[in-house]
Amino acid sequence: AQTVTQSQPEMSVQEAETVTLSCTYDTSENNYYLFWYKQPPSRQMILVIRQEAYKQQNATENRFSVNFQKAAKSFSLKISDSQLGDTAMYFCAFRDPSGGGADGLTFGKGTHLIIQP
Amino acid sequence: DAGITQSPRHKVTETGTPVTLRCHQTENHRYMYWYRQDPGHGLRLIHYSYGVKDTDKGEVSDGYSVSRSKTEDFLLTLESATSSQTSVYFCAIGPTSSYEQYFGPGTRLTVT
Repeated sequence: AQTVTQSQPEMSVQEAETVTLSCTYDTSENNYYLFWYKQPPSRQMILVIRQEAYKQQNATENRFSVNFQKAAKSFSLKISDSQLGDTAMYFCAFRDPSGGGADGLTFGKGTHLIIQP
Repeated sequence: DAGITQSPRHKVTETGTPVTLRCHQTENHRYMYWYRQDPGHGLRLIHYSYGVKDTDKGEVSDGYSVSRSKTEDFLLTLESATSSQTSVYFCAIGPTSSYEQYFGPGTRLTVT
């Protein structure tokens, strides 16, 4: 079974700073997908960014980018120019597509990110 | 935003009573999922469905059952609610061609 580990329960940075959230995972699969989800106080789960394991290029979405290190099984999220609205829980998630799409996501326990004004 | 609604959004119930949570989608996705979220655990998969009347168990399925009689609706039932089932429940749909899942707004269930 796959496992996802987020080693930082909570982080706090000043507005406009850059912050990196860590995620490691364990799998024997070669093809898989990785995601970062954001959960603000509204409780809604929002997809931030997606990475396919077979793509070497790191995914980027505006101020959000990832550092995907397949050999190290590491998938960190970098938030540049952080904003107050980035305050949220962030969850790393893993998806093994070998089940044909029927299986769920495996989530880490989350990192609570606080952006200070 | 994906068209996913959950009802009710909040519910308080007593131990031993049956509870049914509903997930409704307008996206016509084949796959639907139920997760629970608890502090210190992230989200954990309860059950999933890969088509009408096709369902299977997830990681934490004990005490829960599901049904899917239409593509758009996925029901989660607690036959006899216990305090350990106090949680926030999320429905999700997917996968898209890139395998992400889209989540409903969640239901906060309190079992007293």
